[in-house]
Amino acid sequence: GESVGLHLPTLSVQEGDNSIINCAYSNSASDYFIWYKQESGKGPQFIIDIRSNMDKRQGQRVTVLLNKTVKHLSLQIAATQPGDSAVYFCAENEQAGTALIFGKGTTLSVSS
Amino acid sequence: GAVVSQHPSWVICKSGTSVKIECRSLDFQATTMFWYRQFPKQSLMLMATSNEGSKATYEQGVEKDKFLINHASLTLSTLTVTSAHPEDSSFYICSANLKGYPEKLFFGSGTQLSVL
Repeated sequence: GESVGLHLPTLSVQEGDNSIINCAYSNSASDYFIWYKQESGKGPQFIIDIRSNMDKRQGQRVTVLLNKTVKHLSLQIAATQPGDSAVYFCAENEQAGTALIFGKGTTLSVSS
Repeated sequence: GAVVSQHPSWVICKSGTSVKIECRSLDFQATTMFWYRQFPKQSLMLMATSNEGSKATYEQGVEKDKFLINHASLTLSTLTVTSAHPEDSSFYICSANLKGYPEKLFFGSGTQLSVL
């Protein structure tokens, strides 16, 4: 079946920099996209979501961009902090209530 | 906020034994619960979808007789790994949909299973 993937497995940034994590998806029927943060030994933590009828959504220090034309999703983290170090996953589904399909994950390392 | 409690958080068992993992929605009713498996440095892979009172739907390649899922109520789903083998060692994570709000999905904290 179709799945969500990620471009880069690791990203290293300095504290205070802006981080951009990318995700490519293949299912054109996907309607709902979410970014999760996962720390070692823990379950995924919701960061931000976006529906397919939007192309940008902002939260606190985070922004998600959706480009449906090229099926690309990105997560921007402003003023990255050491506490942001974790693995980040994008996930998608076609319809609310159905299972989320996760991408491969990007490990973000923030050095101070 | 809504909390999904997963128990145990880690378990070590001998090869050939069975292990049960519980997933409870503590302060809400869950229409659907999902079970994922995650191997080290890999993504979450969907194993099965579980609806209260009905049989679980398993993903391709997941053995339903090995991974028994019971969803007896709107607040509890269990995953039993039967006749566990070392290759079943993994991080198992459940998630639950808030009844009436299918887009609201909450994850448990995961169970690390180590089979000796």
